Amino acid sequence: GESVGLHLPTLSVQEGDNSIINCAYSNSASDYFIWYKQESGKGPQFIIDIRSNMDKRQGQRVTVLLNKTVKHLSLQIAATQPGDSAVYFCAENINNQGGKLIFGQGTELSVKP
Amino acid sequence: GAVVSQHPSWVICKSGTSVKIECRSLDFQATTMFWYRQFPKQSLMLMATSNEGSKATYEQGVEKDKFLINHASLTLSTLTVTSAHPEDSSFYICSAGGNPLAGSPLHFGNGTRLTVT
Repeated sequence: GESVGLHLPTLSVQEGDNSIINCAYSNSASDYFIWYKQESGKGPQFIIDIRSNMDKRQGQRVTVLLNKTVKHLSLQIAATQPGDSAVYFCAENINNQGGKLIFGQGTELSVKP
Repeated sequence: GAVVSQHPSWVICKSGTSVKIECRSLDFQATTMFWYRQFPKQSLMLMATSNEGSKATYEQGVEKDKFLINHASLTLSTLTVTSAHPEDSSFYICSAGGNPLAGSPLHFGNGTRLTVT
């Protein structure tokens, strides 16, 4: 289902540590997933994506893991930096519906120097 | 690279007035654009799909007469909040682009902060 009326959970990490942000999605028909980073007052910024036929994808300092059995998605950020502080959202695309995305709840990441 | 531009970035209006927000794709054509609303400390909620040359498709619970969408060209979609009330105060964000599964990425605008007094 869609994320409605929920307040953001927060994750606080020390600079240099690894961060893991989790997301539960609801629709088993979702075939494409994206992680976005949103800084205050800005639109979402693409981080990494993964298709449903994969269970892991790596980018620069980021890794996305997909567990379709339990409908769970995670974003791992290596060597977290202060510039990583933001709100992170997962989004799912259902049944190849083009650019129509359903966003998850979001997690606010705070990196302490 | 491709960019989506929103205008204005912020607007303050009085209750009862209407406000128009523009979403432009700057260097690509978009037959479909999407409008989202985001309240403070909450996620983005899809409001509607804007279709070039035809009627917009609204999500359940979104009043089409309240949130008028026009997509008259391949590079511009507008969202008009009619008879705005304080509860319409929110961050409105649009997206445009191709089919991400086909390798054509989505792009988001930087949002429009609407405050209704």
